[in-house]
Amino acid sequence: NAGVTQTPKFQVLKTGQSMTLQCAQDMNHEYMSWYRQDPGMGLRLIHYSVGAGITDQGEVPNGYNVSRSTTEDFPLRLLSAAPSQTSVYFCASSYSGHGNYGYTFGSGTRLTVV
Amino acid sequence: GENVEQHPSTLSVQEGDSAVIKCTYSDSASNYFPWYKQELGKGPQLIIDIRSNVGEKKDQRIAVTLNKTAKHFSLHITETQPEDSAVYFCAASGGNSGYALNFGKGTSLLVTP
Repeated sequence: NAGVTQTPKFQVLKTGQSMTLQCAQDMNHEYMSWYRQDPGMGLRLIHYSVGAGITDQGEVPNGYNVSRSTTEDFPLRLLSAAPSQTSVYFCASSYSGHGNYGYTFGSGTRLTVV
Repeated sequence: GENVEQHPSTLSVQEGDSAVIKCTYSDSASNYFPWYKQELGKGPQLIIDIRSNVGEKKDQRIAVTLNKTAKHFSLHITETQPEDSAVYFCAASGGNSGYALNFGKGTSLLVTP
């Protein structure tokens, strides 16, 4: 039982490049989300999904795309990387059902855009 | 949307003392309040949570209290140990933001021997 797996752990991009951050969970969780963590800013929600085929925007969605073709996977795409997207990115999942439950977080992807 | 404020931003206590971290929230419809611990280089880990139909919950040395009227909740750690040193985040969800967790900005707790 791996929980939430994020890849890669570290990445350096040049401004304008695109890339996909991978997230997979093996707990059959319906709810998945992406957060970014910046010093002094806490965790801010980028995008989330309440189930396969359903996604929605969070607090800071600009510059990011997501899709949810399967229950297990929720990739985050950076369309054209900018230095402002330098951050640590966390994927999280939760069994949502009809209530709120605790999130399980991945170990994070540290992204630097130069 | 939901706004969660967390205080203090840093907290230093001596081993064996108690630590208290406080959070307030803005959306009176929020009904789920978890606390996360984040160690250096790792993802946040759920340590305790409370729902709006409960006023207090304990798990060994940690406890959480909720005051719905005042819209604030607190984390209490008793008999602190050096391994309690970490960043702690409070969060709220279930109101207008649905299942999305809205986090406070975190408290860096240092427990000195």
